[in-house]
Amino acid sequence: DTAVSQTPKYLVTQMGNDKSIKCEQNLGHDTMYWYKQDSKKFLKIMFSYNNKELIINETVPNRFSPKSPDKAHLNLHINSLELGDSAVYFCASSHFSNTGQPQHFGDGTRLSIL
Amino acid sequence: QKEVEQNSGPLSVPEGAIASLNCTYSDRGSQSFFWYRQYSGKSPELIMFIYSNGDKEDGRFTAQLNKASQYVSLLIRDSQPSDSATYLCAVKYTGNQFYFGTGTSLTVIP
Repeated sequence: DTAVSQTPKYLVTQMGNDKSIKCEQNLGHDTMYWYKQDSKKFLKIMFSYNNKELIINETVPNRFSPKSPDKAHLNLHINSLELGDSAVYFCASSHFSNTGQPQHFGDGTRLSIL
Repeated sequence: QKEVEQNSGPLSVPEGAIASLNCTYSDRGSQSFFWYRQYSGKSPELIMFIYSNGDKEDGRFTAQLNKASQYVSLLIRDSQPSDSATYLCAVKYTGNQFYFGTGTSLTVIP
């Protein structure tokens, strides 16, 4: 059974559209994350939620809005998509602790803006 | 600012050799350190983590941490072609904040 699952796996859409990516984890973790990985493979943190509360909100355009209905789900909504939003978006989860406790990643959502 | 730096490579080693991957970090508040492997088109997968100074071994992999020098490394012994991937260093700070380096591309030549 998939531990961290993201949908959709691929997303191809036009500039200016609004789209959402969903993420669910069944590991019992209390912290979830969204990362953006660009073509140069740099994995940049966007948001982090702990028990549905936002704890990290890096410099991300406000067109990106995360929503966590419960600690097992963290969705990402993107308004007015731009060409520069093309990337792979990874969801991850972990236990909240100060040491150890690595992140587990979903398979990624490959977003292409036409 | 929390920075994590890695040599982007590409790093090429012959099969059977030792591959050495390095990572430096800027913030002394760092708590734990992780090495992930990412194959092309796949998600990052954890290789190992370390949070105490010294060496930690797991099979062919050894992680080394030197907090005074703010340096963490990963050694891969008896490198195999299947080890060819991008290796990501991640640093964890208080509050469950993870920051990644830009990754080092490793190619193991048969």
